[in-house]
Amino acid sequence: AQRVTQPEKLLSVFKGAPVELKCNYSYSGSPELFWYVQYSRQRLQLLLRHISRESIKGFTADLNKGETSFHLKKPFAQEEDSAMYYCALSGLYGNKLVFGAGTILRVKS
Amino acid sequence: NAGVTQTPKFQVLKTGQSMTLQCAQDMNHNSMYWYRQDPGMGLRLIYYSASEGTTDKGEVPNGYNVSRLNKREFSLRLESAAPSQTSVYFCASVESNTEAFFGQGTRLTVV
Repeated sequence: AQRVTQPEKLLSVFKGAPVELKCNYSYSGSPELFWYVQYSRQRLQLLLRHISRESIKGFTADLNKGETSFHLKKPFAQEEDSAMYYCALSGLYGNKLVFGAGTILRVKS
Repeated sequence: NAGVTQTPKFQVLKTGQSMTLQCAQDMNHNSMYWYRQDPGMGLRLIYYSASEGTTDKGEVPNGYNVSRLNKREFSLRLESAAPSQTSVYFCASVESNTEAFFGQGTRLTVV
């Protein structure tokens, strides 16, 4: 079964502080991992995916197969990063896409 | 380029009423999904369709039915609405494990 766990419902940090949003997954095959973001009054949108190994808006995420984790990190939080963040998992051959419970990130000035 | 379009945006139903949520995508994607979003529970998969002509249950299918009418359209039907189905519903489409594109959501209240 596919399962995504985001242990923190809310993460509150000060502007300029480092951010780490945790994501752990359970999947027997080769996973495709994603981070999606939902800003206030906007559609859910892709932030980054592990296969592209790129940094988007200063965020990075590394797939750790040994720890079955895909944590999202940013060294210096900005107020505009405040949003709901979802970790998501899909199987390699295009089966169902499942999401975690989400983490609200609040960046305080 | 509209992307993923959901209708309606808002709906209030009485317990026991039925309704269909419509979703259409213009990106020629094979896979389409229906999710519900509830506070503290994130996005939960109701049903998905990996390709035209196929549908499969997700995590929370009870009380719902779906139809993949053609490659563009994937509808979600509530036959007898219950207060527990009050939620925000999202449709999404994906092509081969690339980026999922989401609709703007339907806010449904069942009284």
